[in-house]
Amino acid sequence: EAGVAQSPRYKIIEKRQSVAFWCNPISGHATLYWYQQILGQGPKLLIQFQNNGVVDDSQLPKDRFSAERLKGVDSTLKIQPAKLEDSAVYLCASSLSQGLENEQFFGPGTRLTVL
Amino acid sequence: AQKITQTQPGMFVQEKEAVTLDCTYDTSDPSYGLFWYKQPSSGEMIFLIYQGSYDQQNATEGRYSLNFQKARKSANLVISASQLGDSAMYFCAMRDGWGNTPLVFGKGTRLSVIA
Repeated sequence: EAGVAQSPRYKIIEKRQSVAFWCNPISGHATLYWYQQILGQGPKLLIQFQNNGVVDDSQLPKDRFSAERLKGVDSTLKIQPAKLEDSAVYLCASSLSQGLENEQFFGPGTRLTVL
Repeated sequence: AQKITQTQPGMFVQEKEAVTLDCTYDTSDPSYGLFWYKQPSSGEMIFLIYQGSYDQQNATEGRYSLNFQKARKSANLVISASQLGDSAMYFCAMRDGWGNTPLVFGKGTRLSVIA
């Protein structure tokens, strides 16, 4: 079974530029998450989708971050304009169904550096 | 609100020895799940072990076991017979309520296994 795919793996941009990340979850996984992991910290949820609907975006900085999951499969996360503090690894994860015990499968992440 | 605390920024262990990584948590929900993930230098998050709040026995998965002390709100990870490949960041995480709620992560512990 193929894992969660993310691209690009690395991105370097200057502040005030825009950037987009792509995630393809495991086939059949209805729930998709985007996490931000700043160096030296644990991942922090940015947004959660159930199929193509947003479940939780309370921690998404909506003035500059946006995300969509058209057709309930692939997802894109965009930052416009980027700030220095957005430098982080952006992790996409997916899970199959309801239940506390259900494992979230993580992608390899996109490492963003904002100069 | 949920909170995960990992008080050990770094740990060293001799190869073939056992090591315990500490994790304490806080939640007001009686239903919750606790997870441990491993993050090697390559960046992917690898699921290790899960413990549910209603589970009567401590979880075990191969060389990993979880020392779950509910009254103390602790969920320490024990790695037996450490191997050089165990050197990585280890994150404790939890989710509460029901359904596919997102994970809340601690800051992590960096484990270094010495030959």
